[in-house]
Amino acid sequence: QVQLQESGPGLVKPSGTLSLTCAVSGGSISSTHWWSWVRQPPGKGLEWIGEIYHSGSTNYNPSLKSRVTISVDRSKNQFSLKLSSVTAADTAVYYCARGTYESSGSYYGIYFDYWGQGTLVTVFS
Amino acid sequence: SYELTQPPSVSVSPGQTASITCSGDKVGDKYASWYQQKPGQSPVLVLYQDAKRPSGIPERISGSNSGNTATLTISGTQAMDEADYYCQAWDSSTAVVFGGGTKLTVL
Repeated sequence: QVQLQESGPGLVKPSGTLSLTCAVSGGSISSTHWWSWVRQPPGKGLEWIGEIYHSGSTNYNPSLKSRVTISVDRSKNQFSLKLSSVTAADTAVYYCARGTYESSGSYYGIYFDYWGQGTLVTVFS
Repeated sequence: SYELTQPPSVSVSPGQTASITCSGDKVGDKYASWYQQKPGQSPVLVLYQDAKRPSGIPERISGSNSGNTATLTISGTQAMDEADYYCQAWDSSTAVVFGGGTKLTVL
């Protein structure tokens, strides 16, 4: 059973950099899956931040792209998120998740079958 | 950018059928996934590839996707189904996109 566990500071100062790590257990990060970060502001919906493949290839949400860096450490079976120049609007529960891409003919998609328990990050001075 | 629109709330009586819609431009040409999230918990995948259920998801949860609307349907709704539900798809312009979420209330 794959498990994901987020870790990192729960408080970040405005204009600072948010840094989180997601440890993957029960499976290899070098499998044929993509690894994503998703966030959820208090009382609001889900927002996809970006994803990484074990090769280091990344894709980011265009609305956050200028501030986001996702990296992978295959030796530790984990991946990380850095979000720079944070403001109060970045206060959210941050989840890591495993993504599986699917395609058939012209149909294409991705689904997230394993999620971490989430970690609340508050931007607070 | 691509957007998915869901009704903010849906109410259903126990034992009845609940339908939650997810509207997006030609969403029927994409694969839709659905997630259930209960308060204080992480999202749980309940449907993928429009209508496939992961192991452990009851058969009373079903899905369809055609034209501009994807739909999650819960038959014989139970109190345990009360939760927030999110649709999700992939688009070349925005990559992964989630709908705004629908709060399902079982009255």
